[in-house]
Amino acid sequence: AQTVTQSQPEMSVQEAETVTLSCTYDTSENNYYLFWYKQPPSRQMILVIRQEAYKQQNATENRFSVNFQKAAKSFSLKISDSQLGDTAMYFCACRSSGNTPLVFGKGTRLSVIA
Amino acid sequence: SQTIHQWPATLVQPVGSPLSLECTVEGTSNPNLYWYRQAAGRGLQLLFYSVGIGQISSEVPQNLSASRPQDRQFILSSKKLLLSDSGFYLCARRDRNAYEQYFGPGTRLTVT
Repeated sequence: AQTVTQSQPEMSVQEAETVTLSCTYDTSENNYYLFWYKQPPSRQMILVIRQEAYKQQNATENRFSVNFQKAAKSFSLKISDSQLGDTAMYFCACRSSGNTPLVFGKGTRLSVIA
Repeated sequence: SQTIHQWPATLVQPVGSPLSLECTVEGTSNPNLYWYRQAAGRGLQLLFYSVGIGQISSEVPQNLSASRPQDRQFILSSKKLLLSDSGFYLCARRDRNAYEQYFGPGTRLTVT
């Protein structure tokens, strides 16, 4: 069974600064996918960034990037130039190939401070 | 399109009453569909998922059930609600040949 661990329940960052959210996972699969989701106060779950485990290059989406360390089973999210709209819960998730569902971490609550 | 509709958006029901939450998706055929529940300030709990019409996998034994009567429709039901059923219910989809999962806007259920 897969597990996902987010060890930081809450974090804060000053506007325009950079913050890194941690995520570790455990899986016995060779082929799997990793995701970060954002849940703002509206509670809509928004896909932020995704990474295929077979790709060595770290994924990047505008101000969001990941540091994927496959051997360490680590998948951290870096948010650059933090904006007030980045205030949200962030969930890390993992899924193996096939029809297996996503496994989520417990989330990190990020507050961006003006 | 990853459009997902959930109905209703908000619901207040008394203990012991029945429940029916509906999720419909657009723009795809034979997607995987999921029901999640999220308690206030908590993480997501997978309740059910479906890989096709009439195919339901249950992740957590409880008084809830799910059905998929049509390819793009996923329904969450209960015959008698409990106080502990209160929460935010999210429907999600994953299209064939895609690996990312997208979520609907959710239904906020309060059992009184």
